Amino acid sequence: NAGVTQTPKFRVLKTGQSMTLLCAQDMNHEYMYWYRQDPGMGLRLIHYSVGEGTTAKGEVPDGYNVSRLKKQNFLLGLESAAPSQTSVYFCASTYGWSSNSPLHFGNGTRLTVT
Amino acid sequence: DQQVKQNSPSLSVQEGRISILNCDYTNSMFDYFLWYKKYPAEGPTFLISISSIKDKNEDGRFTVFLNKSAKHLSLHIVPSQPGDSAVYFCAASDWDMRFGAGTRLTVKP
Repeated sequence: NAGVTQTPKFRVLKTGQSMTLLCAQDMNHEYMYWYRQDPGMGLRLIHYSVGEGTTAKGEVPDGYNVSRLKKQNFLLGLESAAPSQTSVYFCASTYGWSSNSPLHFGNGTRLTVT
Repeated sequence: DQQVKQNSPSLSVQEGRISILNCDYTNSMFDYFLWYKKYPAEGPTFLISISSIKDKNEDGRFTVFLNKSAKHLSLHIVPSQPGDSAVYFCAASDWDMRFGAGTRLTVKP
C-alpha cells in the first residue's frame, strides 16, 4: 500500500548540474502533479499530466521538464540546476481533475542547489 | 499573485480548546475548497473539503466554514489535541488547485 513514492528523498546539486526526480503511484490515478514548496509561498504547481503521454505547464514551469511515459510514473527533470531551484518538491496524484478530487502526495524531495 | 492567503503563519492553543485556522481567497471562480495537514518530513494529507454550494461541512472534530461573500474559509478543530500539531494548508480549485502558505498549529498539553 505504497501510494505515492518519490525518489530520492534528499539531493545536493551544484549549479549547472542536472538531475531527475522520480514519482511513482500505485493507485491507477490518471492525473499527476509536481509542486514545489518554498517558505511563505505555499505549494506551487510546476507541471502536471492528465494521462499517460501528456504533460502541461503549471504556475512555475521555467527550468523544469517532465515526462509521463507510463501511467504510474511522472518524472521531473532539471537540465541545468540553479540556486533558485532549492526547494522541497512534492509529487501528487488523483483519480480525477483537481476540482473535486483530493490530491495524494508523496513525502517530498529536498533539493539544495549550491 | 497569491490567490489563496493564510495570514497567520502560526497559531498556538491549549489542549481541549478550539483551534480556528483562517484562509482568504481572491478568485470568485473557485468552486471547491480543501484543507490539508502536513507533518514534518511527510507530504500533505487531505483533511476535509467543502463545495462552493455549501457553507459548512463537518467531519468529527473538524468543521470547515465557507463565507463566499467574504471570500473566507475557516477550519475549526474542537477539541484540539497535541496530535493535531502540524502545518495546515488551505487550497482552492477551479481548473487547478492553489494553496495558501500554511499555518503552523501547535497544541500544548
